[in-house]
Amino acid sequence: DAKTTQPTSMDCAEGRAANLPCNHSTISGNEYVYWYRQIHSQGPQYIIHGLKNNETNEMASLIITEDRKSSTLILPHATLRDTAVYYCIVRVTNSGGYQKVTFGTGTKLQVIP
Amino acid sequence: GAVVSQHPSWVICKSGTSVKIECRSLDFQATTMFWYRQFPKQSLMLMATSNEGSKATYEQGVEKDKFLINHASLTLSTLTVTSAHPEDSSFYICSAPGGRAAFFGPGTRLTVL
Repeated sequence: DAKTTQPTSMDCAEGRAANLPCNHSTISGNEYVYWYRQIHSQGPQYIIHGLKNNETNEMASLIITEDRKSSTLILPHATLRDTAVYYCIVRVTNSGGYQKVTFGTGTKLQVIP
Repeated sequence: GAVVSQHPSWVICKSGTSVKIECRSLDFQATTMFWYRQFPKQSLMLMATSNEGSKATYEQGVEKDKFLINHASLTLSTLTVTSAHPEDSSFYICSAPGGRAAFFGPGTRLTVL
């Protein structure tokens, strides 16, 4: 799996958009970008993933640069409950599901009232 | 998204005893499940891959005789920590692939006295 680089920590004001960057300059053409988050003392939660197009779901938006070497996870209106460690992961995925996920250190997002 | 449960959510045991942790995929089948361990303020570390109907595969440095894994059915994998010691105290998390993403259980907090 390609290596990712994320800032160690970020702060965001409640109600504002949280933009979490991720660099993955060695990503291969068949590797997807995945985002997970882990709220304190809970299991990781899947957020979103994408290959090359921007993606949006009920939780967040994922913006992938045209060269696919970096991406940004956007939480449009951050709430206190979004305080968590956010992990950016790139890997090959096959439908049908072998999904061994290797975690880096992630970005600790602190949403401030 | 798919739901993965773990039982128990927390357990306290005496040194030298064995502890079994269950991981269930509630609304889907999983021929493969993964077990992770997380120490305080650290990221998740993959321990082993649980394969239904065959032996588990362990990551380098993980003792297979200490961490026994049984994938008894398409919805259940168990991790048994044998002869537990205080250094085995950790947060244990399982995951199962569901479609193109991995879904994680809520975790089990093990404390060995």
